[in-house]
Amino acid sequence: AQKITQTQPGMFVQEKEAVTLDCTYDTSDPSYGLFWYKQPSSGEMIFLIYQGSYDQQNATEGRYSLNFQKARKSANLVISASQLGDSAMYFCAMREATEGTGNQFYFGTGTSLTVIP
Amino acid sequence: DAGITQSPRHKVTETGTPVTLRCHQTENHRYMYWYRQDPGHGLRLIHYSYGVKDTDKGEVSDGYSVSRSKTEDFLLTLESATSSQTSVYFCAIGPPGLAGGETQYFGPGTRLLVL
Repeated sequence: AQKITQTQPGMFVQEKEAVTLDCTYDTSDPSYGLFWYKQPSSGEMIFLIYQGSYDQQNATEGRYSLNFQKARKSANLVISASQLGDSAMYFCAMREATEGTGNQFYFGTGTSLTVIP
Repeated sequence: DAGITQSPRHKVTETGTPVTLRCHQTENHRYMYWYRQDPGHGLRLIHYSYGVKDTDKGEVSDGYSVSRSKTEDFLLTLESATSSQTSVYFCAIGPPGLAGGETQYFGPGTRLLVL
């Protein structure tokens, strides 16, 4: 089974609007972390935001917030007030914190976001 | 920025030739990883290392081998390159431990074309 599922291959959003990128995950480990990365056309991977499985509050970093619904195993990324520079691929990832898992990160297939002026 | 470099950054090679990609870090991280990125697949783990001479296979390890003789260097070898190994290869380091929100840090990537 896929550890991370991103069901939206491509998304469009109008500049200055908010957009939600979906991510669901699968784990039986009670301790895990969820991450979002941005990959612009230049190719580098940029860390955006982190949510721990025991965190009570949804994580926020500037215009990025993570809508964490533990029971549904979803960790959607919300980008508020979209800017043209937000056009990029976005990857959701998970790390299980159990000793012996090799500290592996599992990545989704990504969502390509295009911001329309 | 985390101190991670990859070399070469671009390579064109022919089917059947061996290829070695190098990842070098200056952060003294214990964990290092090699991923490949292909359209529609996201990032897939090839091999990872949890210390000098300690390595393990990832999801797509067939056709690849790795070595780590020093903390700072993690080498990925394609023993006999095939066209299916045309991809972008990313090295990553960290996080330093199991707890907390420490992210992985990625190198700039290597574009490999196997003709």
